Order: sequence, then C-alpha cells, then structure tokens
Amino acid sequence: NAGVTQTPKFQVLKTGQSMTLQCAQDMNHEYMSWYRQDPGMGLRLIHYSVGAGITDQGEVPNGYNVSRSTTEDFPLRLLSAAPSQTSVYFCASSNLGQTNTEAFFGQGTRLTVV
Amino acid sequence: GNSVTQMEGPVTLSEEAFLTINCTYTATGYPSLFWYVQYPGEGLQLLLKATKADDKGSNKGFEATYRKETTSFHLEKGSVQVSDSAVYFCALFSRGGGNKLTFGTGTQLKVEL
Repeated sequence: NAGVTQTPKFQVLKTGQSMTLQCAQDMNHEYMSWYRQDPGMGLRLIHYSVGAGITDQGEVPNGYNVSRSTTEDFPLRLLSAAPSQTSVYFCASSNLGQTNTEAFFGQGTRLTVV
Repeated sequence: GNSVTQMEGPVTLSEEAFLTINCTYTATGYPSLFWYVQYPGEGLQLLLKATKADDKGSNKGFEATYRKETTSFHLEKGSVQVSDSAVYFCALFSRGGGNKLTFGTGTQLKVEL
C-alpha cells in the first residue's frame, strides 16, 4: 500500500535555486494539500487542490507554485529558494464529500536552503 | 476563520502516568475533530476522530470527546508508555472553513521510565 509518496526525503539548496517537491497518491483522493512544519508553529497550509485542474492558496503561499494536472500528482515548486523556506514539507491527500474525512500524509521532505 | 489552540509542550510524564492534552477550537459550521500523531522522523497519522457533538473517538488507549458547549476536544490516556512519545496535533475540518484541515501547533509528549 503506497498511500502518499513524497520525494526527495532530504534536499539542500543554495539561495536562488529552484526545485520541485514531488507528491503522488494512489487512493484516488480529490483533495491534496501541502504543508510546511516549523518549530513552534505547527503545520501551515501552503496550497491545496480539490481536484485536477483546480488549486488554491493556503495561509503561506508566497514563494511557492503548484499545479494539479492529474488526480494522482500534486508537485510543489520553489522558483527561487530563500533561507526562510528551510522547513519540513508534508503532502497530504483525502476524500471530499465526507465530513469525517481522514487525511493521509507523506513521510515529509526536509529542505535546507543555505 | 477556523482555529485550533493546543496546550504548549513539551509534556514530560513517567510511564503509567495519566495524560491530558488540551485542545479548544473556533470554527464555522459543524466541524469534524481529529487528533493526529507524529512519531520521530515520520509523517502525521490519524489517531482518532469525532464527527459530531458528544461523540467519543478512541484508539490505542487514547480517548477524546467532542464537547460543543466548551468547544473542546481534549486528548486523554489512562496509562502512557514510552512508545507514546511523539508530537500530537489537534485538528478540525469544516466545510464552512473552505474545505481545509486546520491544525493546532502540536504538543510534544515525552514519556520516561
């Protein structure tokens, strides 16, 4: 059971570099989202999608882009990395249409920007 | 908007002690409430949930009751083990909140022998 798969698990970037964090799910979930986790701040929503072709901003979208061309994939792009983007990133997916929907999380990507 | 407030950690307990982690919320509509757990180096996983007032969620000896009158969803366990050491997140999902899962800041639990 793959669930939600994130790659890479670790990444070091130099300031100004770009990269894409990959996220894929095999549960046919409509809803996918990206969070960043920082000490003392819990999880903050970056972007989310309620279905293929539909994305929206969360609490902290600046510096990040997303797209949702398929139900399965929801990549997160950093166009010009900054030290403030050093964090642990989690992708999650869930079903809509149910009030008791459970979110399934990937293992996380630990990103360091130097 | 929606928000979740958790007690700050870390919480340090001896094995077999009683655990309470407080969680209160503000939400539009009728939210579903969740507790997620994050073990070291891993992603979050669902621990328990409750979808309406007075529901009690339970799993692995943990319990939480959805209290609408006090807007609370406190996590309890009668006897903690070292293996329960983790970070615990309270969360809510509300359609009135834009179909978003809103998390608290997390509470780190350390259980010692």
